[in-house]
Amino acid sequence: DAGVIQSPRHEVTEMGQEVTLRCKPISGHDYLFWYRQTMMRGLELLIYFNNNVPIDDSGMPEDRFSAKMPNASFSTLKIQPSEPRDSAVYFCASSFYQGSYNEQFFGPGTRLTVL
Amino acid sequence: GEDVEQSLFLSVREGDSSVINCTYTDSSSTYLYWYKQEPGAGLQLLTYIFSNMDMKQDQRLTVLLNKKDKHLSLRIADTQTGDSAIYFCAERAGNTGKLIFGQGTTLQVKP
Repeated sequence: DAGVIQSPRHEVTEMGQEVTLRCKPISGHDYLFWYRQTMMRGLELLIYFNNNVPIDDSGMPEDRFSAKMPNASFSTLKIQPSEPRDSAVYFCASSFYQGSYNEQFFGPGTRLTVL
Repeated sequence: GEDVEQSLFLSVREGDSSVINCTYTDSSSTYLYWYKQEPGAGLQLLTYIFSNMDMKQDQRLTVLLNKKDKHLSLRIADTQTGDSAIYFCAERAGNTGKLIFGQGTTLQVKP
């Protein structure tokens, strides 16, 4: 398997623009997570899905952020409108819960810069 | 609530041992983890320990778990410059796939 795939790897946009980040989890995994990492706040869990259903979105900072998982092999994180404080590295991760230890596999991240 | 705390920075000399510490709050955690993040990359699982164990050893890595004090540590023997990275401690949140991560400890290895 190719691992968790994220696109784009880098995104530079201007304040007010819409940004869409994409993630393809590992095939067969039933959990998908979106994280944000910044120097100031560290690693933050934004939202996670189980079997394509959003379970906990309490980490989503504002209504400007939305996430969808239309099927088991694809998820998007959208920011509209974007602001400079949204600049961060956004990670997608997936895992297969099997009752024992469950390893989360992280993608390479999308580095977002909002000017 | 669930919370995981780590010191933010550790600097050691090449060849020395490194010990990274972590405290957690959820006494019902069944699994605890150490993840490693190299520059420009995502997190990668380094090792994990089941809560009924006190210690786990894997080559240069030793994980110690003190359930009474809710304290987890990662010891890296003979630390190399390639070990320079951010190390995250994490606990599993109940019977879900969700993990609670600490803020990460940056390990700097000086030659």
